[in-house]
Amino acid sequence: KQEVTQIPAALSVPEGENLVLNCSFTDSAIYNLQWFRQDPGKGLTSLLLIQSSQREQTSGRLNASLDKSSGRSTLYIAASQPGDSATYLCAVKGNTDKLIFGTGTRLQVFP
Amino acid sequence: GAGVSQSPSNKVTEKGKDVELRCDPISGHTALYWYRQSLGQGLEFLIYFQGNSAPDKSGLPSDRFSAERTGGSVSTLTIQRTQQEDSAVYLCASSRDLAYEQYFGPGTRLTVT
Repeated sequence: KQEVTQIPAALSVPEGENLVLNCSFTDSAIYNLQWFRQDPGKGLTSLLLIQSSQREQTSGRLNASLDKSSGRSTLYIAASQPGDSATYLCAVKGNTDKLIFGTGTRLQVFP
Repeated sequence: GAGVSQSPSNKVTEKGKDVELRCDPISGHTALYWYRQSLGQGLEFLIYFQGNSAPDKSGLPSDRFSAERTGGSVSTLTIQRTQQEDSAVYLCASSRDLAYEQYFGPGTRLTVT
């Protein structure tokens, strides 16, 4: 059974810092991995999707890497801003087509 | 273009009543997913549709839960005889096909009193 873990559970940093959020999964037979952000009381916003054949994806200040063999993905946020404050979720898709979510990292960036 | 929409945004119901939640996916998206997020819990998968077919219903918590999709578009999730443990945010997502990125709606917050 696939299990997804995210570390740390919470993170509080000053504006401008570069951040690394971690996601690990127990079954390396994944189809793809997706990173989301969730603002309080809101739905999920897709940030990046990495297919199993890819090593990384970039969008603006965000870079996500995937090491399928070791069951790990990292989300790198460069030059963090207060607007980046949210909960970040990673989710993996196996051959069953549903997403299995991690428990999230709650990020606060203060001015 | 328009994203995934869900209605109602909030629903308060009495224990034992039936509720119906609606999801309008992004136009042209063939795959549609339902998830649930309970307070203090992670997101859990409920069911997904490819077209009008539901190949995987393994996440439905009990036989009180059912879902349907018609015309390859709108989907409804029905919960019969609601219980307090059904209180959660119900999220719907859609994607172009099963291999593609999932886009989520804002959710329906269900409170069972």
